[in-house]
Amino acid sequence: AQSVSQHNHHVILSEAASLELGCNYSYGGTVNLFWYVQYPGQHLQLLLKYFSGDPLVKGIKGFEAEFIKSKFSFNLRKPSVQWSDTAEYFCAVNVKAAGNKLTFGGGTRVLVKP
Amino acid sequence: DVKVTQSSRYLVKRTGEKVFLECVQDMDHENMFWYRQDPGLGLRLIYFSYDVKMKEKGDIPEGYSVSREKKERFSLILESASTNQTSMYLCASSPGGQLSGNTIYFGEGSWLTVV
Repeated sequence: AQSVSQHNHHVILSEAASLELGCNYSYGGTVNLFWYVQYPGQHLQLLLKYFSGDPLVKGIKGFEAEFIKSKFSFNLRKPSVQWSDTAEYFCAVNVKAAGNKLTFGGGTRVLVKP
Repeated sequence: DVKVTQSSRYLVKRTGEKVFLECVQDMDHENMFWYRQDPGLGLRLIYFSYDVKMKEKGDIPEGYSVSREKKERFSLILESASTNQTSMYLCASSPGGQLSGNTIYFGEGSWLTVV
């Protein structure tokens, strides 16, 4: 079965710092890749997704992610974070052969200090 | 906007009780899902359904069952609640067909505490 690893459980940084969250998955076939965000007290929201084409994907709120197939990675980046980016971030993978199932990583809690 | 509504935000139940968690979506989606969310473990799929009366086991179905009698409603049932089922439960829905090109929409979650 596929698995998804997020390397950092907690990240603390100051406003204007750059953010990069790692995500690796363990399936060698065709995948769809997602990053979701959960702000405190709110439901999960889609940040961005990769299905095909350009491996550099731009999402909402200035986030982007790069799919590197050779490394089985889909890292999330933001050049300059704001206090409002404090949230928990989840990487998720859908293996096309497995239908509509999403497999999630363990999440990374990001705290941005004002 | 797609709306996925979970009827109970916070529940406290006793060990051995039967628990129903209800979820309704208003966008005529074929697919519906139940996940549980635990710190450090992310979201784990319990069950999903791709049509009325159809269900498939996810990664952690033990101790749970589901019911989908109507397209818009997907219920999660804990036949005999146990303390290790204390968790946040998330319902989700998506349009039919392969996930490619579609997005999953999540409800706000139900916090269940089993004492």
